[in-house]
Amino acid sequence: AQKITQTQPGMFVQEKEAVTLDCTYDTSDQSYGLFWYKQPSSGEMIFLIYQGSYDEQNATEGRYSLNFQKARKSANLVISASQLGDSAMYFCAMREGRKLIFGQGTELSVKP
Amino acid sequence: GAVVSQHPSWVICKSGTSVKIECRSLDFQATTMFWYRQFPKQSLMLMATSNEGSKATYEQGVEKDKFLINHASLTLSTLTVTSAHPEDSSFYICSARVVSGRMGFGGELFFGEGSRLTVL
Repeated sequence: AQKITQTQPGMFVQEKEAVTLDCTYDTSDQSYGLFWYKQPSSGEMIFLIYQGSYDEQNATEGRYSLNFQKARKSANLVISASQLGDSAMYFCAMREGRKLIFGQGTELSVKP
Repeated sequence: GAVVSQHPSWVICKSGTSVKIECRSLDFQATTMFWYRQFPKQSLMLMATSNEGSKATYEQGVEKDKFLINHASLTLSTLTVTSAHPEDSSFYICSARVVSGRMGFGGELFFGEGSRLTVL
């Protein structure tokens, strides 16, 4: 069964606008962690943001924020003031034990 | 943050040959490393968990004899693709775990730059 679901294969956003990338997850664990990574065309995985299941506040890291809705099991990434350099693949991931399980990814394209 | 280095970053080989990819933690010791495989525009699929000093734990469907993993030291894990064929062409990426408490009980993962394998 799919544990991490990203339903948007591709997204377009105008430069300087905000964009939301969707992520839903499935787990029966009470304690878990959710991550977002950016993967540019070079292939490296760049850590963006982390949300623990017991964190009461939504995580924020600069222009990145995570809209964590525990009851809905969603952990959407919000990028504010998009930049051309934000064009990349974005992956949502959930920790399962020691392992990190990734969603299918969303390809974000920022238009000038 | 911690640094994980992969080598080579890209390799082209002939069908039937074996290829070794190295994953090194440069400034920390990693008892656990993870190997992922990624096809173009697709997700990272976990292949195996590499454990220092013991056998790797493979995910379901991954051929152990095809993808040999060795974690002989606390800073080095290697993935050897044996008798490579064109269908093994892919992007292979490793990660190492640092238990710092910063990101929950599971620690934080640092990724290598990835290795692109092309089998002719």
